[in-house]
Order: sequence, then structure tokens, then C-alpha cells
Amino acid sequence: AQSVSQHNHHVILSEAASLELGCNYSYGGTVNLFWYVQYPGQHLQLLLKYFSGDPLVKGIKGFEAEFIKSKFSFNLRKPSVQWSDTAEYFCAVSYKLSFGAGTTVTVRA
Amino acid sequence: NAGVTQTPKFQVLKTGQSMTLQCAQDMNHNSMYWYRQDPGMGLRLIYYSASEGTTDKGEVPNGYNVSRLNKREFSLRLESAAPSQTSVYFCASTLSTASGYNEQFFGPGTRLTVL
Repeated sequence: AQSVSQHNHHVILSEAASLELGCNYSYGGTVNLFWYVQYPGQHLQLLLKYFSGDPLVKGIKGFEAEFIKSKFSFNLRKPSVQWSDTAEYFCAVSYKLSFGAGTTVTVRA
Repeated sequence: NAGVTQTPKFQVLKTGQSMTLQCAQDMNHNSMYWYRQDPGMGLRLIYYSASEGTTDKGEVPNGYNVSRLNKREFSLRLESAAPSQTSVYFCASTLSTASGYNEQFFGPGTRLTVL
């Protein structure tokens, strides 16, 4: 079983809507957490990462994520999406270098 | 800086053929990785090399071999390709430290089809 679970397989939104993607992991020790984005036809790029400190981390392009240790969660958020945010989003955990199955986000103009 | 480069970009093989996927990075990273990406399954780690001279199995190593040729290069070999190995293969690298894994930098991918 995957140690990283992403709650949504495909999310469809209109521009300016808010986005939240869920990510849960199953390892109880210290982990580094990441969100990557893969735009159509491109390779994966880092959106943001959490190693320690403030559990609310800010990344590129207006994305942020909140680490909630008690819930083993690292959810990704963006207050107002744009058409250019259409992509596949992957949550990753440093334990066993595990990736979630990915969430495809489609933003309609 | 080219980052992480992979060759070839596309490949079609017949069942039983062999091939090697090449990966190189110019960021002086110590750790390198091979993943496969299949629909609905995310990225699954095939093999990784924590440092030059070492390689370890990941989640799905069967049917693959790797070589860490030097610090820059990490190749993935399919000795006898099977249709189940049809996938997109990504190479990645990172600067690992004693405190853990840092962000990975990914190559553009190789789309492999095995008939």
C-alpha cells in the first residue's frame, strides 16, 4: 500500500476559485514533505517543501501548504486559481521517497 | 546549467529487447534516482543511488538494473523488456545531507513503449 495518499484524483475548477488538495502519509517518524507540480508535457517541478519550523509554508505561484503533524497531513492550498494552474500535483514524503498517486487539476477559463 | 538530462526522449521496443536509459546531472548532486510514472499510480521508485559507488532497490526494481557510472551519470537498463514496462521514466537528483532528503530535480522523462 502506498504510504502517501492524495484524496482527489481529478479536480475541476473555474478560474478564481479556491483550491485545496489533500495529502496524508502513514509514517510516524520525522519526514520531509514536498509538493511537486507537473504541467502538461513537462517534468516535475518543486512547488514547496517542509522540513521543520513554521507548519505553514509558502511556495511559488501563490501556493501554500499546512503541515498538521497530529493528522499526518500536508494539504496544498491556493486562494484563487488561474487557467495556468492546470497541471498534475504530487505530494511526496522523504520516507522511502514516496509519492502520492497525483491529483489532476483542470482550471476552466 | 542543463540540470538533469535524459536520453532518449522516446523509445519503442519489442518484447525481449534490451535498452539502456541514460541520465546525467551537472549540479554536483550526490544522490540520483530512477522513477516510473504510470496513470493513477504516481511515481514509483525503481532504484536509487545515495552516493557514487552505491545503488539500492526501490519499490519496483524487478526487471531493471542500474549503474552509477560516476557522480554525474546514472543509467537504467532493461535486459529483456516486457509490455508491463511501458511507462514514462524519470531520472532525478538531489543533494542529500545527514539531515535528510532535499528537493529532487527531475529530468524531462523518457516515454517507453514495449510492444
